[in-house]
Amino acid sequence: GENVEQHPSTLSVQEGDSAVIKCTYSDSASNYFPWYKQELGKRPQLIIDIRSNVGEKKDQRIAVTLNKTAKHFSLHITETQPEDSAVYFCAASSGGSQGNLIFGKGTKLSVKP
Amino acid sequence: EAGVTQFPSHSVIEKGQTVTLRCDPISGHDNLYWYRRVMGKEIKFLLHFVKESKQDESGMPNNRFLAERTGGTYSTLKVQPAELEDSGVYFCASSLLRGFTGELFFGEGSRLTVL
Repeated sequence: GENVEQHPSTLSVQEGDSAVIKCTYSDSASNYFPWYKQELGKRPQLIIDIRSNVGEKKDQRIAVTLNKTAKHFSLHITETQPEDSAVYFCAASSGGSQGNLIFGKGTKLSVKP
Repeated sequence: EAGVTQFPSHSVIEKGQTVTLRCDPISGHDNLYWYRRVMGKEIKFLLHFVKESKQDESGMPNNRFLAERTGGTYSTLKVQPAELEDSGVYFCASSLLRGFTGELFFGEGSRLTVL
């Protein structure tokens, strides 16, 4: 079955710097890759996603890139702000039922003012 | 519009006891999912309902876990008898069936502590 590895597990950056979180997946049939953000004590929320027919997607300060050949995808946050501090989870669709996502272990991002 | 709501937010029980977690999905969402996060690990898929039917229960760890969604509205997840390794945060999520975009709407989770 699908396996998703996520790195790093923790990341600390200064406000204004960029942050990059990387994930790899094992199942070449996976075709949907969402990123969820979970602020402390709150629910995970989708922040951006990408499908396998595109290589990059951008939404303001957030971008995701996908390399299907290498089976890895990355989240890029530019001009980080303290409110970006949260746990970020990548995921891949296993090809099973709708919504059966395989998540990475999460990256705790701390943005220092 | 109300989001996905889960109850209780935190439950502390002793090994061998029973706990029932409840999830109310967003109104109109026929897809309902249960996920679990054990401390420091990934959010792991447990099962998926489409309306009242179990579409995929491949992630259910063993027969101590029973999920129901009578009438296709709210869902319950019962753990009986609870073991220490069942401790974690249980997330419920829902999504549209028709017009599914891939986005899951999560609840805030039910933290289960088994002593």
